[in-house]
Amino acid sequence: QKEVEQDPGPLSVPEGAIVSLNCTYSNSAFQYFMWYRQYSRKGPELLMYTYSSGNKEDGRFTAQVDKSSKYISLFIRDSQPSDSATYLCAMSARALGAQKLVFGQGTRLTINP
Amino acid sequence: NAGVTQTPKFQVLKTGQSMTLQCAQDMNHEYMSWYRQDPGMGLRLIHYSVGAGITDQGEVPNGYNVSRSTTEDFPLRLLSAAPSQTSVYFCASSFRPYYEQYFGPGTRLTVT
Repeated sequence: QKEVEQDPGPLSVPEGAIVSLNCTYSNSAFQYFMWYRQYSRKGPELLMYTYSSGNKEDGRFTAQVDKSSKYISLFIRDSQPSDSATYLCAMSARALGAQKLVFGQGTRLTINP
Repeated sequence: NAGVTQTPKFQVLKTGQSMTLQCAQDMNHEYMSWYRQDPGMGLRLIHYSVGAGITDQGEVPNGYNVSRSTTEDFPLRLLSAAPSQTSVYFCASSFRPYYEQYFGPGTRLTVT
C-alpha cells in the first residue's frame, strides 16, 4: 500500500463547477500537507500548503486537512479552463528529514468551457 | 532569475550507455533534489542534497549517482542506462525543505 493515495482521475467538469480533490495517507507523522499544480509538460508548482490540521483559503482555492481521518482535500470554486492541470498532493514531516516529500499519484483535471 | 534550469530537455539512450542530466539554480537554495515521474506513480525521490558536499539517497536511488560541488549545480548521472529508467526527470530546489520545492522544466529520457 502506498503511503499517500490519490485518485488519478481523469476528472472532467464544466466551467464554474466546484471541484473536490482528495488524498488519503497512512503515516501519522506527516505534518506538512501540500498541493502542487502541474500543467502539461511543465514542472509542478506549489499551489498551497497547510501545517498540521485545519483549513486554509487562497482566493478560489481551499485546502483542508483532517489528521484524525488521515484525509486531505483541495476545493476549487468557480473553476476556470485555466485550472485544467494535474494536481498532486504531497506530505512531509520534520522527523522524516528535509526534502523528504511523499507525493500522491496526481489527479488529472479538465475544466470544460 | 532563471530559477531552476535543466538540460537536456529530451534524450534518447541505448541500454548500457551513460549520461549526465544537468541541473542548476540561481536562487542560492541550499536544498536540491532529483525526482522521477512515471505514469501512475507520482513523483519519487531519487537523491537529494542539503548543501554543497552533502548528498543522500531517496526512495529510488539504484542506478543513479549525484554530487554537489557547488550550491548552484546538482547533476544526476546514469551509470548504465536501462529501459526501466525511461521517465521524466525533475530537479527541484528549496529554502523551505519541508514543503516548498521549486521545480525545473524536466528532462524526458527514453532508454531503448
